[in-house]
Amino acid sequence: AIRMTQSPSSFSASTGDRVTITCRASQGISSYLAWYQQKPGKAPKLLIYAASTLQSGVPSRFSGSGSGTDFTLTISCLQSEDFATYYCQQYYSYPEGTFGQGTKVEIK
Amino acid sequence: QVQLVESGGGVVQPGGSLRLSCAASGFTFSSYGMHWVRQAPGKGLEWVAFIRYDGSNKYYADSVKGRFTISRDNSKNTLYLQMNSLRAEDTAVYYCAKDNPTTVHDYWGQGTLVTVSS
Repeated sequence: AIRMTQSPSSFSASTGDRVTITCRASQGISSYLAWYQQKPGKAPKLLIYAASTLQSGVPSRFSGSGSGTDFTLTISCLQSEDFATYYCQQYYSYPEGTFGQGTKVEIK
Repeated sequence: QVQLVESGGGVVQPGGSLRLSCAASGFTFSSYGMHWVRQAPGKGLEWVAFIRYDGSNKYYADSVKGRFTISRDNSKNTLYLQMNSLRAEDTAVYYCAKDNPTTVHDYWGQGTLVTVSS
């Protein structure tokens, strides 16, 4: 099974910061990678798919990059509503999809 | 707009059974595959099962294979998850999610909590 590893697991940041979250796959997954945002008590929300394509309605401060085994999610200018937990998911083995363990972005 | 509403969660004893439902609206349900994804309390997301648009193929995570059954009724726009031989480690919020071959899970329900405890 393909394993997804995110780093860091959590960190603190301030509004206006540029933040980057990393996701690594245990084997090559081409660009079959999605990023989700989840707030407490809510369902995950799709942000990015195909590694770098922004889902409709998602602010342009979110961006994704990478292919193969290494991927990043970048938030260019952190807003208060962006404090949440972020998950990557591979769907190279579609319809099965393995998630990373999550990265919690907290207010500094 | 797309709406997915899960129901059927609750408290069940180990070894017991439960059936979850997911009522879909706002899209042509019979044209899309559907997934179940779960999240244990304070933990990450785990893909559970998938069913094709017509119910012809079903896929399961190893952790639930042989115990859970995914099904659908396209005439009722409803997805189901029959859960048998439940274990404490099945305790989680269960989400249904609409499939999109390009994006995988483009819409999610609000989730229903299943607690397996004696």
